Amino acid sequence: DQQVKQNSPSLSVQEGRISILNCDYTNSMFDYFLWYKKYPAEGPTFLISISSIKDKNEDGRFTVFLNKSAKHLSLHIVPSQPGDSAVYFCAASDPDSWGKLQFGAGTQVVVTP
Amino acid sequence: ETGVTQSPTHLIKTRGQQVTLRCSSQSGHNTVSWYQQALGQGPQFIFQYYREEENGRGNFPPRFSGLQFPNYSSELNVNALELDDSALYLCASSRSASGGAADTQYFGPGTRLTVL
Repeated sequence: DQQVKQNSPSLSVQEGRISILNCDYTNSMFDYFLWYKKYPAEGPTFLISISSIKDKNEDGRFTVFLNKSAKHLSLHIVPSQPGDSAVYFCAASDPDSWGKLQFGAGTQVVVTP
Repeated sequence: ETGVTQSPTHLIKTRGQQVTLRCSSQSGHNTVSWYQQALGQGPQFIFQYYREEENGRGNFPPRFSGLQFPNYSSELNVNALELDDSALYLCASSRSASGGAADTQYFGPGTRLTVL
């Protein structure tokens, strides 16, 4: 039962433009959401998180938006850089899950010159 | 500050064998979680250890077991290996006051296990 879904397996964007990655979830108990970036042969690297009491969190070029009514979150990367080319995972947890993060399948981002 | 480390990097086993994977948590972290990532999928939660006890478990059979040591390092043991156990095994550590869920987890580089 996939409770976190990333419906776009890949995204191609030009350097300098905005990358928008989307994530949908089905479990209304999720209260904490995270985005991770993963390069080949490396573990996921934490990027940014957001609590369900907020609808936006910003950190440098990265902004995460949360729409609880739609059970949807998105990650905006502005401006996109070649080093942003990686797989991006959305993850979520609920207060009763004892640290269990549920991940989406990931979106492969390619930033072209 | 030392990050999360895992050993070995790669491992090849045959079906039916047993394997032990190791993880050293990030300095100051007391909680370790293990995940299995199959090719083309997101990581799947196996279990979490907090203060040397299992603190939550995903949908994995009992042949997946673990330990956490007083220095917060951890082991993942898998018995009776099956072909489908071939995957990247990720360890993540976090700092938790109570073993609760809302703590950012930081991942190691993973161990690539191949079962033949």
